[in-house]
Amino acid sequence: GAGVSQSPSNKVTEKGKDVELRCDPISGHTALYWYRQSLGQGLEFLIYFQGNSAPDKSGLPSDRFSAERTGGSVSTLTIQRTQQEDSAVYLCASSLRDRGTYGYTFGSGTRLTVV
Amino acid sequence: AQRVTQPEKLLSVFKGAPVELKCNYSYSGSPELFWYVQYSRQRLQLLLRHISRESIKGFTADLNKGETSFHLKKPFAQEEDSAMYYCALNNQGGKLIFGQGTELSVKP
Repeated sequence: GAGVSQSPSNKVTEKGKDVELRCDPISGHTALYWYRQSLGQGLEFLIYFQGNSAPDKSGLPSDRFSAERTGGSVSTLTIQRTQQEDSAVYLCASSLRDRGTYGYTFGSGTRLTVV
Repeated sequence: AQRVTQPEKLLSVFKGAPVELKCNYSYSGSPELFWYVQYSRQRLQLLLRHISRESIKGFTADLNKGETSFHLKKPFAQEEDSAMYYCALNNQGGKLIFGQGTELSVKP
């Protein structure tokens, strides 16, 4: 596609429910990243996929968070048993090559609200 | 530790005034630094990269390794520059480390 597409754009869920957030990167971009944007917290790295390599999961805040990338393209971020502190904007980005040297292209994000 | 620090949460200037958004980094290797911008209700987008030595929308940023800084500057601010600005460091491990962001408000 022309840009990085994320869905849904907004998600309201009850505490304790599971949610899935989807990211469709730019075609041909081998690297895909998930970040979390919270008020006053900046952008927090969550996970990074590069080609067929094992993902860098070092930023995932707890084992309730997981992500996968199927076929080197679409990625899904799953949050199990959501908590109110999970409320944030979840951003996906992709880049043409690894290491982000050429900069990332970001999606418009999914705003998650846990009530 | 690898870190990016933007000391100002909010910077408010008048139209036509010079603006400088501060960014300091902590990194032991050779850094790759970026500025990203997010205008109201728009997605985060790349503004400039230090390796390009480019000027975008009148903004420039010079890497100062001695001071470990990468401040963003513009000589004459415009109202349309009002946005959230993030400084970011490529840690060579495949991901960008972002600062907390600075909200720039340009008043008429």
